[in-house]
Amino acid sequence: SQKIEQNSEALNIQEGKTATLTCNYTNYSPAYLQWYRQDPGRGPVFLLLIRENEKEKRKERLKVTFDTTLKQSLFHITASQPADSATYLCALGGSGNTGKLIFGQGTTLQVKP
Amino acid sequence: DTGVSQDPRHKITKRGQNVTFRCDPISEHNRLYWYRQTLGQGPEFLTYFQNEAQLEKSRLLSDRFSAERPKGSFSTLEIQRTEQGDSAMYLCASSLGGGATEAFFGQGTRLTVV
Repeated sequence: SQKIEQNSEALNIQEGKTATLTCNYTNYSPAYLQWYRQDPGRGPVFLLLIRENEKEKRKERLKVTFDTTLKQSLFHITASQPADSATYLCALGGSGNTGKLIFGQGTTLQVKP
Repeated sequence: DTGVSQDPRHKITKRGQNVTFRCDPISEHNRLYWYRQTLGQGPEFLTYFQNEAQLEKSRLLSDRFSAERPKGSFSTLEIQRTEQGDSAMYLCASSLGGGATEAFFGQGTRLTVV
């Protein structure tokens, strides 16, 4: 069955450093991959989308890579700030037009001042 | 606020009772999704609508669950004869079209079954 794994341990980094979060998947060939941010008690908020034929996408301090051979996506936050502290969710979408997403369990990022 | 709105934000119910949640999507969005999220896990897909048509239901959606989207606007999710295992955050999302498009999530309804 489809499986998505994100860093199970919380990630603690110092302000100003680059945070790198990992999303690995098996038994699936996604057409695209999305990253969301979720704060406690709130719904997920969309950050970035990358398609299977794209290697890298950037938006401000955010960068996502997508390696369909390794079945892995990396999500980077450069010059991290305490306000970046949240849970980050990786979500995969299929080639059909459903828009249905399969989410990983999320990685909690804590940026310390 | 023109985002996705869910009501109520919190619901505590006794086991065996029925509950209904409402979702108001972004007005021009034709796609509406329901997800369920338990503590420490990512959201799990339940069902989705294109306009008023319910196009897919997950196996997670037992016979006790029913969702509607009359007139393709707001949607309701009803759980009959609630069980403790139904305790979770129920999230609604909407999007303009399907496929590789951004999904806009509501704040969710936190259900606690006691």
